[in-house]
Amino acid sequence: SQTIHQWPATLVQPVGSPLSLECTVEGTSNPNLYWYRQAAGRGLQLLFYSVGIGQISSEVPQNLSASRPQDRQFILSSKKLLLSDSGFYLCAWDRENYGYTFGSGTRLTVV
Amino acid sequence: LAKTTQPISMDSYEGQEVNITCSHNNIATNDYITWYQQFPSQGPRFIIQGYKTKVTNEVASLFIPADRKSSTLSLPRVSLSDTAVYYCLVGDNGGGGNKLTFGTGTQLKVEL
Repeated sequence: SQTIHQWPATLVQPVGSPLSLECTVEGTSNPNLYWYRQAAGRGLQLLFYSVGIGQISSEVPQNLSASRPQDRQFILSSKKLLLSDSGFYLCAWDRENYGYTFGSGTRLTVV
Repeated sequence: LAKTTQPISMDSYEGQEVNITCSHNNIATNDYITWYQQFPSQGPRFIIQGYKTKVTNEVASLFIPADRKSSTLSLPRVSLSDTAVYYCLVGDNGGGGNKLTFGTGTQLKVEL
């Protein structure tokens, strides 16, 4: 069966520090992968999506970047975090007739 | 992408049926309607998806009128554990790389 793993679950980082969040999918090949962010009490904002290795599309200009070094691996990064980067980060993949499947999320607090 | 409109919040009591309606006037011919449920500090979870008429699974029913400009998620006999945010999305039926936008959803609160 297909599963999606996301880590870490929580992270507290100082302003200006780097960030690396990793997401991996098992049980499928060539998935469409997504990074979303959810601010407190808000809806989900699409940040990046990828339809294949090395193919990244950005939806929102910001100091974040994404990479897909392997078919089932999606990484969200930042060189220098801002306070406004705090939020709940979710990785997801989608499949026909079942919509999106989300990871468990990472709660990032920038202090 | 079709824009959706749904109530910000709804209150109910245990054992009642809850119906959440979503408006999507600009739905495209090939768009599907999908509902998700989200608990605090968790990612949204797929509930049900439909294209037209009625779809039912073990969790909910989805009613879609002929013009497809709205849809209603029906949760039978809700319990406290159904307290969550419910999102209505319109787009492809998955697997197509469709960049779906999640709004603020409907906060359902179920009380004793």
